[in-house]
Amino acid sequence: DTEVTQTPKHLVMGMTNKKSLKCEQHMGHRAMYWYKQKAKKPPELMFVYSYEKLSINESVPSRFSPECPNSSLLNLHLHALQPEDSALYLCASSQKLGSLAKNIQYFGAGTRLSVL
Amino acid sequence: SQQGEEDPQALSIQEGENATMNCSYKTSINNLQWYRQNSGRGLVHLILIRSNEREKHSGRLRVTLDTSKKSSSLLITASRAADTASYFCATDAQQAGTALIFGKGTTLSVSS
Repeated sequence: DTEVTQTPKHLVMGMTNKKSLKCEQHMGHRAMYWYKQKAKKPPELMFVYSYEKLSINESVPSRFSPECPNSSLLNLHLHALQPEDSALYLCASSQKLGSLAKNIQYFGAGTRLSVL
Repeated sequence: SQQGEEDPQALSIQEGENATMNCSYKTSINNLQWYRQNSGRGLVHLILIRSNEREKHSGRLRVTLDTSKKSSSLLITASRAADTASYFCATDAQQAGTALIFGKGTTLSVSS
């Protein structure tokens, strides 16, 4: 099973709402990632978890709060978002984080987020 | 941050033609990967080439790597309409604990 599952596929939220994006993988991967992607742009790294610990935070605003409850799950909690946060949010996983490993990433289909 | 620059940004070809897209990067790498993204979907890994390799093939894909020029190219032969997608190169820096860095991507349109 090489699947990364993201839910929901689409999400519309107001600026005062609190919502969560979920990501799940059962490949035994120990690195999990959140990316934000705007139209016609490359994925922009937000957070990386390695062995369930936050390893990289690319200076993401605190209205985005990641959580890794266990090695298979990754959440992204959203609160007080702005309209400019509307984007495709992608989750990915890889065997390990780091340059000594084959860092092939497996991506989910993404959550299309619209903030009104 | 992005370290890869793909060119062209957009490419339109007819079915059966070959498509070549290029990627340049800035720092030393361990390997370089190419990914495909169909519109509004997740990225799919296509091929990985190590820094000590110069060329690699996978089906209709051919990747080259020139570490002296810090550049790579992806050739898709005998293209099909289903190859229509965005293609991104991704590099991992030689520092431990770093994530992939994606280039800006090339949008390929293959018309029948």
